[in-house]
This record gives sequence, structure tokens and C-alpha cells, in this order.
Amino acid sequence: EDKVVQSPLSLVVHEGDTVTLNCSYEVTNFRSLLWYKQEKKAPTFLFMLTSSGIEKKSGRLSSILDKKELFSILNITATQTGDSAIYLCAGGGSNYKLTFGKGTLLTVNP
Amino acid sequence: GAGVSQSPRYKVTKRGQDVALRCDPISGHVSLYWYRQALGQGPEFLTYFNYEAQQDKSGLPNDRFSAERPEGSISTLTIQRTEQRDSAMYRCASSATGQLNTEAFFGQGTRLTVV
Repeated sequence: EDKVVQSPLSLVVHEGDTVTLNCSYEVTNFRSLLWYKQEKKAPTFLFMLTSSGIEKKSGRLSSILDKKELFSILNITATQTGDSAIYLCAGGGSNYKLTFGKGTLLTVNP
Repeated sequence: GAGVSQSPRYKVTKRGQDVALRCDPISGHVSLYWYRQALGQGPEFLTYFNYEAQQDKSGLPNDRFSAERPEGSISTLTIQRTEQRDSAMYRCASSATGQLNTEAFFGQGTRLTVV
């Protein structure tokens, strides 16, 4: 059975801090690793990673995949209160199914 | 439409009743997914459609759950004889192509409460 584990489950930081969120996966016929940000509404897409070692960057957020060690990290630099959310990681295999982790609840205090 | 639309947003039903949850994907999107999300958990896969064909229903918990997408656009997830353990957020997502793991866009979900 496919499995995605995220850590930590929750994290509280101060504005300006840098955070690293972790995601390890065991997905049959792995194809891609996706990160989503979930606030009160629907999860919104952040990154899709398919190749090892290539960093994807969007503003203060960046992510990288290690297919040998089966993990990914999501970095957020200079955090802001608006970054407070649940960050979801999902692994996708050849059967179209995305297997999600439980998420990391990030709280950024002013 | 501009985004994935789900209705109703909230549904309270009595145990034993049937419910039908609707998903209207982004126009032209080929793939449609149903997920269930319990409080404090990530979304759990239920089923997947490619056009009107249900490609994978391995995540449906039991035979009280069914889904259809008869014309390859709007989908309905039906839960028969609801039980309290069915209470959760039900989310629909769609993606543009039939390519594996193309970015999926989520709807705001239907919060189902079975009392």
C-alpha cells in the first residue's frame, strides 16, 4: 500500500524564520511528488516534482526531490503570517492515484 | 467554469438517508478525482474518472459508495444508507489532461455531517 509521511505534524515559528517541511514516500511506480497549501478553502497547488535534485522555486518557497532516498522538502524563507496553513504532500504513481500525507500545520506568529 | 465547483457546500443528513454530492470540474478537464478528508488528515483517494470512464474505484470504502460521470463532465458521488462514520469533507479535483499526475485543482468541498 502506498504511503506518504510528513513531518513535523505541526510547527510554530515567528515571522521572518525559515522553515523546512519534510515528506517521505513509498509509492508504487512513482511518477511525481506534489505539494499543496491548504487554508480554509481548497488545497492550492504549489509544486510538482518529477526529477531528483532539481529545485523548484516560487518566490520564498522552494522544493526539491530525492528519488534515491524517497523524500522531498519544502522550504519557506522569511515566513509571513499569511504562510500559516496546512501543507500537504502527495505522491503519484502510475495508477493516477495521489496518496496524500496527513499534512504539516504551520503557524507563523507575528 | 473558473474553478472546480462542488455542491452543496454543507449537508446534514440523518443516519440511513442517501446523499448525492455533485462536482462540476473545470471546463474541458479530462480527469476527475474524488477524495475524502477527515479532520486533521490529508485527503484520502476514493475514485478517479478519465472522461466518463471510472478508471479506479479502489478507494471507495464499501458498496454504499458509488460515483458516476455519465457525460464526462459533472460527477456525482452517492452514499447510500449513510452512517455517522461517513461524516467528513468530500473533495473533488480535476486536471486538464489524462497525463499521469498533472496538476490537480481542488474544489472547496462538501462538508457532510451524518447525525
